Amino acid sequence: SQQGEEDPQALSIQEGENATMNCSYKTSINNLQWYRQNSGRGLVHLILIRSNEREKHSGRLRVTLDTSKKSSSLLITASRAADTASYFCATPPSSGNTGKLIFGQGTTLQVKP
Amino acid sequence: GAGVSQTPSNKVTEKGKYVELRCDPISGHTALYWYRQSLGQGPEFLIYFQGTGAADDSGLPNDRFFAVRPEGSVSTLKIQRTERGDSAVYLCASSLKSRETNTGELFFGEGSRLTVL
Repeated sequence: SQQGEEDPQALSIQEGENATMNCSYKTSINNLQWYRQNSGRGLVHLILIRSNEREKHSGRLRVTLDTSKKSSSLLITASRAADTASYFCATPPSSGNTGKLIFGQGTTLQVKP
Repeated sequence: GAGVSQTPSNKVTEKGKYVELRCDPISGHTALYWYRQSLGQGPEFLIYFQGTGAADDSGLPNDRFFAVRPEGSVSTLKIQRTERGDSAVYLCASSLKSRETNTGELFFGEGSRLTVL
């Protein structure tokens, strides 16, 4: 079963706009990760945020984590056509687990030039 | 190579046949994962190795699926008596397990696309 659920399922924006994707999860976690997948390729790790962190930045990416609401958001600022991809959040199934990651269904982002 | 390598990249087989998919992880990565991804879906966890042993195989759908990692490096996912429903992209990932987070960053291969006719 999926731990995380991304929202929206699909997002289409113009180049230069910001894109926001949300992830909700069910159980307590010690960290949450975001991955990106270009069509037909493997996943690429973007950022990891720990449960004691509320916000983290990496270049044009901003990730927030609200453990009280069991949710996270990924913001891509000043989007580019090259940002077109699917984005997934991933969490351990519960805190103190064996180390596996459970992925959500993903948000498909299209950035139009 | 520097990244996770998966072979074959594409495999077409007939229903009922046996298939092996190979994963060569990043050198030194102790953790190795297999996932399965259907079109439009997120990766579905199959099995996770820590060293040579399967730390968690709870995602294997049934006893037709088996995976090994005999020397703690290369892993092989084996599917017996393949069915059309097994058609998917099989993704392998490796990581340096972090003591602090218990789950490190995963490095994925490009996947093996399996088509069962």
